[in-house]
Amino acid sequence: KAGVTQTPRYLIKTRGQQVTLSCSPISGHRSVSWYQQTPGQGLQFLFEYFSETQRNKGNFPGRFSGRQFSNSRSEMNVSTLELGDSALYLCASSLGDKSYGYTFGSGTRLTVV
Amino acid sequence: QKEVEQNSGPLSVPEGAIASLNCTYSDRGSQSFFWYRQYSGKSPELIMSIYSNGDKEDGRFTAQLNKASQYVSLLIRDSQPSDSATYLCAVNTGAQKLVFGQGTRLTINP
Repeated sequence: KAGVTQTPRYLIKTRGQQVTLSCSPISGHRSVSWYQQTPGQGLQFLFEYFSETQRNKGNFPGRFSGRQFSNSRSEMNVSTLELGDSALYLCASSLGDKSYGYTFGSGTRLTVV
Repeated sequence: QKEVEQNSGPLSVPEGAIASLNCTYSDRGSQSFFWYRQYSGKSPELIMSIYSNGDKEDGRFTAQLNKASQYVSLLIRDSQPSDSATYLCAVNTGAQKLVFGQGTRLTINP
């Protein structure tokens, strides 16, 4: 059974640019969550999608957005990149019931220069 | 007050000893609790889940939950050098999100 697939694994972008990250969940999982991980802040929740609907959003500026497609694949977009956006972005999938833990992908390491 | 709090460590334990990791949470309505292990440069990996008060054992790992005290712990028996990692406590607050603690860095000394 394939795990959670995130692409690309690494990205280097310039300040002011925008970036799109992709996540394919485990087959059958309808919930996809996105997290930002930095050494200082730990794992910070960005948003969660279930059946193409955003069910919850963390405390991030509007430059961070996402969407989910009918096949449960999800994309995350960051516009007008800032140096502080440099982080590991992790996608996690689950069945969508709060009783289940999340399975994480390998992450996308974004560096903004 | 942070939603989920852990001692950041580092916690150093000799090989073969018991490692004890602790976590407290603020939302009394939380119902699902998880422990993740994260090796340096890797993504978090789910190792334990617990939903009811008491203990849950899986191999060398035991998760303990006390909802009255809003406290979750993870015990690792017969600690091995391969257990050296950051351990993340996560709580599902019911608001369709999993909230993570800052993590405890554990080092097992041979």
